Amino acid sequence: DTGVSQDPRHKITKRGQNVTFRCDPISEHNRLYWYRQTLGQGPEFLTYFQNEAQLEKSRLLSDRFSAERPKGSFSTLEIQRTEQGDSAMYLCASSLEGNNSPLHFGNGTRLTVT
Amino acid sequence: GNSVTQMEGPVTLSEEAFLTINCTYTATGYPSLFWYVQYPGEGLQLLLKATKADDKGSNKGFEATYRKETTSFHLEKGSVQVSDSAVYFCALSGRYNFNKFYFGSGTKLNVKP
Repeated sequence: DTGVSQDPRHKITKRGQNVTFRCDPISEHNRLYWYRQTLGQGPEFLTYFQNEAQLEKSRLLSDRFSAERPKGSFSTLEIQRTEQGDSAMYLCASSLEGNNSPLHFGNGTRLTVT
Repeated sequence: GNSVTQMEGPVTLSEEAFLTINCTYTATGYPSLFWYVQYPGEGLQLLLKATKADDKGSNKGFEATYRKETTSFHLEKGSVQVSDSAVYFCALSGRYNFNKFYFGSGTKLNVKP
């Protein structure tokens, strides 16, 4: 068990550019989540996958955001036409199926939009 | 709807002091409750959990009891160490909505030697 890994750790981009983040969950976990965390706040839910199916999306996820998990393993989160308000820490988490299964988080990708 | 409210920080304590971080929740149905800890530069780590009323979660000297009557899940530790300095997040998981987690805003703990 190598834990949840995210890449890159940091990303600095200019406003209007597209960025893509990758998440590799714990291998036996079939649930994968993306959260966003801004300074001084707790993580906010963005979207959730069970295997390759995206089952829920937050209204925070505008049409500039898209997430995929094509083979039910790793996931990507793409932000198109980035805005300064997108600057945040993007967290990926995974879990086993089951109502009481805790989330296991990666270390996050810190995005700075200049 | 579901939400979590926790005490604002930072909380500054001397080593070996008693710690309480308050957490209250609003939820439909009967959620599971969690405390996560985030050390500087790291991701959130599960500290402890409780899945039903009157359950007590415990780990590394930390404890929290699921109190349905007061909708609370306060975190306590009898004697804090410098290494406990971190941000602590209270969270709930809705029982019927695909394990979706709701987090409080976090409480930063600073422990001085």
